[in-house]
Amino acid sequence: EDKVVQSPLSLVVHEGDTVTLNCSYEVTNFRSLLWYKQEKKAPTFLFMLTSSGIEKKSGRLSSILDKKELFSILNITATQTGDSAVYLCAGLDTGNQFYFGTGTSLTVIP
Amino acid sequence: DVKVTQSSRYLVKRTGEKVFLECVQDMDHENMFWYRQDPGLGLRLIYFSYDVKMKEKGDIPEGYSVSREKKERFSLILESASTNQTSMYLCASSSPGAPNTEAFFGQGTRLTVV
Repeated sequence: EDKVVQSPLSLVVHEGDTVTLNCSYEVTNFRSLLWYKQEKKAPTFLFMLTSSGIEKKSGRLSSILDKKELFSILNITATQTGDSAVYLCAGLDTGNQFYFGTGTSLTVIP
Repeated sequence: DVKVTQSSRYLVKRTGEKVFLECVQDMDHENMFWYRQDPGLGLRLIYFSYDVKMKEKGDIPEGYSVSREKKERFSLILESASTNQTSMYLCASSSPGAPNTEAFFGQGTRLTVV
């Protein structure tokens, strides 16, 4: 059965901290790994990772994929209160199906 | 900008009612999806469609049906709403052949069945 597992389930940090969110996947016919941010509304796309070892970066957010160990991490440096959200990880297979994890709820305290 | 629009943000319906949730996308995407999102359970796929009039059951299709008569529109139907269908419903679309194959989401419909 295809599945995506995220950890931790929730996280509370102070502004300025660096956080690492984890995502492990078991997706048959794996194509890509995606990260989304969800703030009380529709998930918004952050990154898509297809190749191992190539870091994708956007501002204070970065992500990397390890296809040998079947996991990805999302790093957020110098966290701000606006980073508070649920972060979703999803595996995409070659049949164009998405498999979502349950998400990591991040709370950044001022 | 890709736009996926769900017809309602909030809905309150009575048990036993037939409920229609509408979703329209404007990017000519082939694939459309309906998910429900519940605390601790994440996004669970109800149905998806990869073409007009084509549909496939997802992980939790019981109590739901779908309709895709036009490429841009994907409707979710609750045949007889029950309280355990109270949830956030998210529609998404994607284009499998495009360079950007990510799913684009609508704003969600929070359905309460009383």
